[in-house]
Amino acid sequence: GEDVEQSLFLSVREGDSSVINCTYTDSSSTYLYWYKQEPGAGLQLLTYIFSNMDMKQDQRLTVLLNKKDKHLSLRIADTQTGDSAIYFCAEANAGGTSYGKLTFGQGTILTVHP
Amino acid sequence: DAGVIQSPRHEVTEMGQEVTLRCKPISGHDYLFWYRQTMMRGLELLIYFNNNVPIDDSGMPEDRFSAKMPNASFSTLKIQPSEPRDSAVYFCASSLGLTIQGSEQYFGPGTRLTVT
Repeated sequence: GEDVEQSLFLSVREGDSSVINCTYTDSSSTYLYWYKQEPGAGLQLLTYIFSNMDMKQDQRLTVLLNKKDKHLSLRIADTQTGDSAIYFCAEANAGGTSYGKLTFGQGTILTVHP
Repeated sequence: DAGVIQSPRHEVTEMGQEVTLRCKPISGHDYLFWYRQTMMRGLELLIYFNNNVPIDDSGMPEDRFSAKMPNASFSTLKIQPSEPRDSAVYFCASSLGLTIQGSEQYFGPGTRLTVT
């Protein structure tokens, strides 16, 4: 079945860049999403990329997609303490019994040190 | 718009009791999703509706769980009887279309359920 994997923890210093990585298995994925979850809150969409794109940039966020390797990354430039949160990668499933669903990774806990 | 509204925000109940979680989606959204988040299993889709009709309930863990959407502005997730292993954060989300079409799912703040 579909599977999305992320590393669990990332720690960076304020002002550095953060890179969060994600791998997925569903080759029929159409869109891939990055969500952010702050403590005690729901998930908030950060950005997304269509599967036929290689890169998308949105202010401090850069998404890179390697469709051949099924690898997705989120780069946050000039990371701030307010970026400390859990980041989820998710794929929109277009095939089989998972049609229309989002499959989420386990989430990466980003900690930003002053 | 107020976003997706969930109630209650916190629920503490004893094993065996019935629990009802409520959700009001964003007006005009045709899709509604119920998720469960735990440390062990991450974020799991339980069920989703399109135009108030359940489309896929394959994620509902067992018969103790049921969900309804009597109209476009209200949905409930019921657990009867509740068990300690049901303790989790339950999220409701809504969207205009499907994510395979690029639609964003908007999440509510969640209901933290503790079953003792």
